[in-house]
Order: sequence, then C-alpha cells, then structure tokens
Amino acid sequence: SYEVTQPLSVSVALGQTATITCGGKNIGSKNVQWYQQKPGQAPVLVIYRDTNRPSGIPERFSGSNSGNTATLTVSRAQAGDEADYYCQVRDSNTVLFGGGTKLTVL
Amino acid sequence: EVQLVNSGGDLVQPGGSLRLSCEASAFNVSNNFISWVRQAPGKGLEWVSVIYSDGSGGNTYYADSVKGRFTISRDNSRNTVHLQMKSLRVEDTALYFCARGTVLWFAWDIWGQGTRVTVSS
Repeated sequence: SYEVTQPLSVSVALGQTATITCGGKNIGSKNVQWYQQKPGQAPVLVIYRDTNRPSGIPERFSGSNSGNTATLTVSRAQAGDEADYYCQVRDSNTVLFGGGTKLTVL
Repeated sequence: EVQLVNSGGDLVQPGGSLRLSCEASAFNVSNNFISWVRQAPGKGLEWVSVIYSDGSGGNTYYADSVKGRFTISRDNSRNTVHLQMKSLRVEDTALYFCARGTVLWFAWDIWGQGTRVTVSS
C-alpha cells in the first residue's frame, strides 16, 4: 500500500523560512493537502491540490509537488506558526496521512 | 455560521458499540462529502470513513482498520452524519472528528470540534 513520510520535527528561526517535506513514490502524480494542527484544536487546511491556499490562509504558506517529494514552505515564520503539520493524499478510495511534522519556531 | 458539531463520544468496554453524530449548520450535508478522521492520544491523524454527496451517489468507503465494524450514514432531515461503531477495540480509542470536503472530497475545509471515544475495561 502507498506510504507517505515526513520528518518528525523541523526548527526555524523567527522570521526565517521553514520547509517541511512529504515523501512518497511518484507523489507528484497525486494531489497533496497540508493541514496545520495546534494543541487541543482541530486541524486546519492550509494547502490543497499541491499549491492552493484556502481563503484566510496567509500567503506566507505555499506548497509544491514534484517527483517523489511534496513541500510545504512557511515564509517569514511567526511564533503562531508553531504547530504540527500533516501532509495527506488520496490513494484509490482511501486517504493517507503522513506521520506529522512538529514545527518549532525559535 | 458554517460549522460541524460532534457528539456521542463516551467510555465503552471492548466489544461494545457507540454512535457518533456530526451535525451541520449553514450548509446541507446531502450536497457535501463528509468524512470521519480520528486521532489516538498523542498520535497522528487517521482517516476513517467518507460518505459521498447524494449527487455523487452517496457511496461510502472505509479504512481497512474499521471495515466491517463501522458504518457511516446520513440523516438529511436532521442535517447530520452518523458513525455507528461496533465491536470496538482498545485501539479505537481516539478523538473523532468529522470534516467537510471542499473542491476535492478529501480536502477538508470545515471540521467539527471532535468527540472523544475511550475503549477500556
């Protein structure tokens, strides 16, 4: 079955750029979504269909997807961006999540 | 306000049953794809099930981990989606969220607040 992998943690200095990767075999052929989840809260969709931002999501959040890696980029990182981030894809009629990446803003 | 409200979570013994509810406001569940997603304590997200919109056939699909034990259904008169869970296992312990699909059925823009299910003797 298909698998997606994420790093357990990523650290970024305040105001700098963070990149979170999501790996999977030929993931570039799939639509990738990214969710942000803060402690005690429901997840929030920040990127859908690889590169699209829902209404209300800052332009600082961007996505890309090619080959075997999808990437979420958080530019000008703020303290409020500290959260767990999950990538997600559809595989046939099921949905798979990566294990999640904890983003720490230093 | 567009929102989903979860309810029905409880403490239940292994082998028991429970029905979770997901009530929508300001939109019709009949016209939308609604999924259930769960999160075990301290763990990541796991998709559980989806029910397609009426216009797309109302099909239902399940994760292998719950297939044959969980059933998703929709009550259009109450604008509510249910998740009937039976033969519950300790590993079903989790916070259960429902979520609405947007341009893709698996891109979820609206989430419920979650309802907690604990399976323990």
